[in-house]
Amino acid sequence: DAKTTQPPSMDCAEGRAANLPCNHSTISGNEYVYWYRQIHSQGPQYIIHGLKNNETNEMASLIITEDRKSSTLILPHATLRDTAVYYCIVRGLIQGAQKLVFGQGTRLTINP
Amino acid sequence: EAGVTQSPTHLIKTRGQQATLRCSPISGHTSVYWYQQALGLGLQFLLWYDEGEERNRGNFPPRFSGRQFPNYSSELNVNALELEDSALYLCASRTGRSYNSPLHFGNGTRLTVT
Repeated sequence: DAKTTQPPSMDCAEGRAANLPCNHSTISGNEYVYWYRQIHSQGPQYIIHGLKNNETNEMASLIITEDRKSSTLILPHATLRDTAVYYCIVRGLIQGAQKLVFGQGTRLTINP
Repeated sequence: EAGVTQSPTHLIKTRGQQATLRCSPISGHTSVYWYQQALGLGLQFLLWYDEGEERNRGNFPPRFSGRQFPNYSSELNVNALELEDSALYLCASRTGRSYNSPLHFGNGTRLTVT
């Protein structure tokens, strides 16, 4: 699985958009980008994933650059409950390598 | 739809004992994954089961083992517990029908070894 790089921490004001970047410069053509978040003492929560097109769901939007070497998770109107550690992961198509590798993630703090 | 459920939520054992952790995947999910999250550390992959068979394991000693039952639920067993086994153990499941389907996690079992 490709390695990802995320800033260790970010702050965002409540009600504003939170933009979380992720670099995955060694991503290969069949690897998807996944985002999860983990609120203290809970299991990681799936947010969104994509291959090369931008994706949107009820939680967030995922913007993947054309060269796929980086992506941005956007929480459009952040609330205090969005305070969590956010993980960006890339995972390939090969079934034999299904283990997800979680890095240290970005600790996002939403401030009132 | 019920999510991934894990039991017990907390488990306290003494060094040398054995621990058994249980996981029920989301209905329809055939793949189950186990992760260890020690305090302040990231998630470390432990085991992956699919259709009742172990498909992959992480860099953990053999005293970490498990199995998957015909109903796709799973058990993680840790023998000869050591103090450093204290961690949050997370189970996740996904459907095997789509290669890009995401993992869905339970809230974990907090294992404390004294």
